[in-house]
Amino acid sequence: GEDVEQSLFLSVREGDSSVINCTYTDSSSTYLYWYKQEPGAGLQLLTYIFSNMDMKQDQRLTVLLNKKDKHLSLRIADTQTGDSAIYFCAESIGYSSASKIIFGSGTRLSIRP
Amino acid sequence: GAVVSQHPSRVICKSGTSVKIECRSLDFQATTMFWYRQFPKQSLMLMATSNEGSKATYEQGVEKDKFLINHASLTLSTLTVTSAHPEDSSFYICSATPISTNEKLFFGSGTQLSVL
Repeated sequence: GEDVEQSLFLSVREGDSSVINCTYTDSSSTYLYWYKQEPGAGLQLLTYIFSNMDMKQDQRLTVLLNKKDKHLSLRIADTQTGDSAIYFCAESIGYSSASKIIFGSGTRLSIRP
Repeated sequence: GAVVSQHPSRVICKSGTSVKIECRSLDFQATTMFWYRQFPKQSLMLMATSNEGSKATYEQGVEKDKFLINHASLTLSTLTVTSAHPEDSSFYICSATPISTNEKLFFGSGTQLSVL
């Protein structure tokens, strides 16, 4: 079946790196995404990675994909208070624009001063 | 970048009334849009896939007569919650993928529905 799992909470000190982990079960996933959701707002696409890649870097964000273990991580360097939010991992199954997106439960990131 | 507009952002209604939520892609065309529902402190749950010019595909457990979806053009999909009840209170979000790309999914800002 299709399932995406994440830990619910993460607390880091301001300036440190945050690493949010995600595991998924469907080996036929094509794209894997990280979304950010601030309180009362919609989702913002942070970054995504194609399933045949193992790493993608975009400014402070680094995505690592271990396809063998079906493990995805998001590293945020130099975490700031503005990074406080819920982060959702998601996988896309299929190649068309009509592919389903399955979301994890979200990880709430809080920043300590 | 691509923008998806969702309206209204917040609605309060009485039990038994119907509420329509619009999802509009502003600068791209999308044959497919998705409707999600999010309960407090939970993840997004896919409700249905909205296909332009044809019937929507509903996920298991979602009542199609309760949540009416219309996707009449390549830039607009609507979700109507019929005869709303307090248990329908939730955050509803739509998303769309531009026809020109199979990669990114763009989300609306969501609609907070409160049924009294």
